[in-house]
Amino acid sequence: ETGVTQTPRHLVMGMTNKKSLKCEQHLGHNAMYWYKQSAKKPLELMFVYNFKEQTENNSVPSRFSPECPNSSHLFLHLHTLQPEDSALYLCASSQDRQGSGYGYTFGSGTRLTVV
Amino acid sequence: GEDVEQSLFLSVREGDSSVINCTYTDSSSTYLYWYKQEPGAGLQLLTYIFSNMDMKQDQRLTVLLNKKDKHLSLRIADTQTGDSAIYFCAESYLSGGSYIPTFGRGTSLIVHP
Repeated sequence: ETGVTQTPRHLVMGMTNKKSLKCEQHLGHNAMYWYKQSAKKPLELMFVYNFKEQTENNSVPSRFSPECPNSSHLFLHLHTLQPEDSALYLCASSQDRQGSGYGYTFGSGTRLTVV
Repeated sequence: GEDVEQSLFLSVREGDSSVINCTYTDSSSTYLYWYKQEPGAGLQLLTYIFSNMDMKQDQRLTVLLNKKDKHLSLRIADTQTGDSAIYFCAESYLSGGSYIPTFGRGTSLIVHP
């Protein structure tokens, strides 16, 4: 365990379903991130939250909707996804958004398959 | 965004040294990182280097930074089969007053017995 917990580990959903991914950290970090990892592509930064405020939205389609109710929890709400959205979704946290020698702590990810 | 480039694959024999190379584009990066991803897991921070350093050694790991060429390398001495994983180079670039992490595609290291 890295200190960042993601649930579920695996998710299969139809294109008309609505589901949510959850991320939780109790490391005292104040910044949290969603990344998408697809085969043969760089990690794509999706959203950044700092002190519960969304500070980055990297041109992510509206079918992905993040929510950060507090500094320890981050959600990614999914609806009407496409098969090309199938990927590993990684959550990460860090001490602050300035970047530091502590780097970013990642969860194990949710493997999402859209059918 | 900024670009971080890595070769996709590296194959070495157990006991040999592995060198994974990376180039980045943003000269304002304060920290540069190496992460390791094992199958079915997230990314784990291996080591990092501050931009005013040329080299950092941590047990079997040696990081070399050439700021002029924007080139970063990770050397793993005495590579073991347990080192087989994907290794990601990352930089943080400055955007809107804050640092945004950017990762390369990752280098798959395969260690043969």
